[in-house]
Amino acid sequence: RKEVEQDPGPFNVPEGATVAFNCTYSNSASQSFFWYRQDCRKEPKLLMSVYSSGNEDGRFTAQLNRASQYISLLIRDSKLSDSATYLCVVNRAGGYNKLIFGAGTRLAVHP
Amino acid sequence: NAGVTQTPKFQVLKTGQSMTLQCAQDMNHNSMYWYRQDPGMGLRLIYYSASEGTTDKGEVPNGYNVSRLNKREFSLRLESAAPSQTSVYFCASSEATIYEQYFGPGTRLTVT
Repeated sequence: RKEVEQDPGPFNVPEGATVAFNCTYSNSASQSFFWYRQDCRKEPKLLMSVYSSGNEDGRFTAQLNRASQYISLLIRDSKLSDSATYLCVVNRAGGYNKLIFGAGTRLAVHP
Repeated sequence: NAGVTQTPKFQVLKTGQSMTLQCAQDMNHNSMYWYRQDPGMGLRLIYYSASEGTTDKGEVPNGYNVSRLNKREFSLRLESAAPSQTSVYFCASSEATIYEQYFGPGTRLTVT
């Protein structure tokens, strides 16, 4: 089982739609969670951290469910510019903490 | 404040040639990383340096060596390039290994 698993997609949605991605992680001791965004042929960029209580940044909402070991990202009112690959990132707890990157979920927003 | 910079941006090598990829960060971060990303795949960690003076292997270290030259700079060396090393290489840095990482723009390497 992979440490971080994501549905690769693609998710094809019209502008204005609401779309949600889930990501599951295997290490129950993980403490840090993030969502990154990666545009085609560009470097990954931090979208938002994910806090235990959930957090919101404009049209983006991130949630953490420790019991079921998954995090989610909700995008409301999708824009064409939201088209990208979204990477779920979790720290590998124990020993040297390192971040583990999921393979990503591709989102395509169309007019 | 440039963040993380990488040189070169593009490189073509012949099999057996060597080269060094350079990375520098100006955020006073302690930890630095080298990843490779192949088409349709996620980021794979090659080597990392949790702090100045230390380096450790990641998932795919074979065929690579690294040097943490100082707190700012972390280089990746391919001693004898192979076609399987054709990839996009990203350098990243973070305050510590548990915190969010910031990436450089990448080096696109082709080995023929």
